[in-house]
Amino acid sequence: SQTIHQWPATLVQPVGSPLSLECTVEGTSNPNLYWYRQAAGRGLQLLFYSVGIGQISSEVPQNLSASRPQDRQFILSSKKLLLSDSSFYLCAWSRQEYTEAFFGQGTRLTVV
Amino acid sequence: EDQVTQSPEALRLQEGESSSLNCSYTVSGLRGLFWYRQDPGKGPEFLFTLYSAGEEKEKERLKATLTKKESFLHITAPKPEDSATYLCAVRFKAAGNKLTFGGGTRVLVKP
Repeated sequence: SQTIHQWPATLVQPVGSPLSLECTVEGTSNPNLYWYRQAAGRGLQLLFYSVGIGQISSEVPQNLSASRPQDRQFILSSKKLLLSDSSFYLCAWSRQEYTEAFFGQGTRLTVV
Repeated sequence: EDQVTQSPEALRLQEGESSSLNCSYTVSGLRGLFWYRQDPGKGPEFLFTLYSAGEEKEKERLKATLTKKESFLHITAPKPEDSATYLCAVRFKAAGNKLTFGGGTRVLVKP
C-alpha cells in the first residue's frame, strides 16, 4: 500500500530564518506531488505541483520554492521566512492527472 | 472568480438528524469531483471520487451524488464522530494537474 510521510508536524521559526519541509511517498512510482497551504478555517491553496523529477510548477508567486530531487521526495523551502508564512502546509500525491490525491498529516508552521 | 463553492459554511446537527452539503462548480470540462473529510489539525482524508453526472458513491452514513454543476454529500443519521470539515475539490481539463478546493463545510453533530 502507499503511504505519505510529512515532517515535522509542528515548527516554530523566527522571522528571516530558512525553511525546509520534506515529504516522501512510499509504495508507488512517478507520482504527481503537491504542496498546499491552508489558512485557519479556510480551503486549500495550491502552491506547487510536480509531475516528475526536477519538474516544478508554481501557482502562487511568494516567498517559497519547491524542489523534487528524487522521484518520491518533495521539498518546500524558503530562504527567509516572513510572518505571513505562518500557516498549515500539506503535501499530497496522486497517481495520474485526473485521479484523487492523498494527503500527509500536515505541518503547522508558526513564524515568530 | 470562485470555481468551487461549498454551502453552508457551517452546519450544526443533532445526532440522527440527516442533512446535505452542497458543492457547486463553475468550471467546464470536469475531470473529477472529490470529497474529503478533515479533522482539526490533520490532513484531509479521501472519501469519494465522482466522474460523471448521475454517479453516486456511498460509505457508511455518507452518500455523494453528482449533477452537471453540483455535488451533494448526504449525511444520514449522523453520529458525533461525523463531526469534521468536509472539503470538495475538482479537477478540470484546462487546469491539468491542479486540484481546486472549495472553502469547506464545518459539520458539528451534537449528541
